[in-house]
Amino acid sequence: KQEVTQIPAALSVPEGENLVLNCSFTDSAIYNLQWFRQDPGKGLTSLLLIQSSQREQTSGRLNASLDKSSGRSTLYIAASQPGDSATYLCAVTWMDSSYKLIFGSGTRLLVRP
Amino acid sequence: NAGVTQTPKFRILKIGQSMTLQCTQDMNHNYMYWYRQDPGMGLKLIYYSVGAGITDKGEVPNGYNVSRSTTEDFPLRLELAAPSQTSVYFCASRVAGGAADTQYFGPGTRLTVL
Repeated sequence: KQEVTQIPAALSVPEGENLVLNCSFTDSAIYNLQWFRQDPGKGLTSLLLIQSSQREQTSGRLNASLDKSSGRSTLYIAASQPGDSATYLCAVTWMDSSYKLIFGSGTRLLVRP
Repeated sequence: NAGVTQTPKFRILKIGQSMTLQCTQDMNHNYMYWYRQDPGMGLKLIYYSVGAGITDKGEVPNGYNVSRSTTEDFPLRLELAAPSQTSVYFCASRVAGGAADTQYFGPGTRLTVL
């Protein structure tokens, strides 16, 4: 079964710290992997998309990596700020079902001032 | 450009009632999706559509129906509401393929069935 897992479920860090969020997936035959941000009571916003052929993507203080062979992706946030507090969701599209995304359950991040 | 809009924002239903959740997008996207999100969980796909007149089931379709008569609109119908359908419902549209492949989400509808 194709599944996406995110650990930890929640993370609390002091402002300024660099941090890593983890995402693991079964079945390495992926089409792409995306990281989303969700603020409380809001919809999801796409942060980064990594194609199957890519190893990483960067946007500002965010860097996402992909290792298909180990079934893992990480989202690195540099110099964290209180405004980064949100839930971060990882979602995978697999080659054999490219119409849909399978989501992990998310990591709830709190950056303390 | 309003993006993806959903109505209503909140709704309380009694067991056995029916309702339609509305979703509209103005980006001319062919792909549209309905998800539900239970507390502390990720999103689960209910139904999706790859274009007007074409719909298919996702992971959790039981108790729901959809239609797609236009590119813009993708309503989700709940028949005979049950407490298990208490959730937050998100609609999304998608630009499919390549580096720009991403989903755009609406703000959600919070539904409670009592």
